[in-house]
Amino acid sequence: KAGVTQTPRYLIKTRGQQVTLSCSPISGHRSVSWYQQTPGQGLQFLFEYFSETQRNKGNFPGRFSGRQFSNSRSEMNVSTLELGDSALYLCASSLEADGYEQYFGPGTRLTVT
Amino acid sequence: GQSLEQPSEVTAVEGAIVQINCTYQTSGFYGLSWYQQHDGGAPTFLSYNGLDGLEETGRFSSFLSRSDSYGYLLLQELQMKDSASYFCAVRDRNTGFQKLVFGTGTRLLVSP
Repeated sequence: KAGVTQTPRYLIKTRGQQVTLSCSPISGHRSVSWYQQTPGQGLQFLFEYFSETQRNKGNFPGRFSGRQFSNSRSEMNVSTLELGDSALYLCASSLEADGYEQYFGPGTRLTVT
Repeated sequence: GQSLEQPSEVTAVEGAIVQINCTYQTSGFYGLSWYQQHDGGAPTFLSYNGLDGLEETGRFSSFLSRSDSYGYLLLQELQMKDSASYFCAVRDRNTGFQKLVFGTGTRLLVSP
């Protein structure tokens, strides 16, 4: 079974631009979560989607948004990029909502200049 | 809310046993998970303790004590490939929904 895939793997953007990241979960997994990882803040929860509905949201500004499609694929969008948004963005899927065993994708490394 | 503290770094030699602690400040959570992350890689699930006590999976064991607000990951017969960062995580159930909260992470360095 294929793992979680994320595209693109690397991205360089300038301040003020917006970006869309994509995540395809493991086949059959209906829950997708997004995390931001930085050296200083560690792994921070962004949001979780289950059956196209956002169930949980972390403490991030409204510039961060996401959605999930009927095939469980998910996208996250960051508008008006700031330098501090430079990070590794990880997507994880699990079979059901609130799963304690999550399967992570390789991440998208976003650099904002 | 949740706060999970881990030592920032632990060093050990091949063949040794190492324990990575996770202490938390919380008023409610569902179990404790552990993840491993190699440099440049994605976190991978290692273990889960839904109840107090010890869970064993091969060379790795994990322990949870809710009364002591404490858990640990025990790695035995250390190998060079165990050099990685290790994160504990809990499902925060205090905010009305169950977001997964990760600990600060422990970098394990295994030397020959």
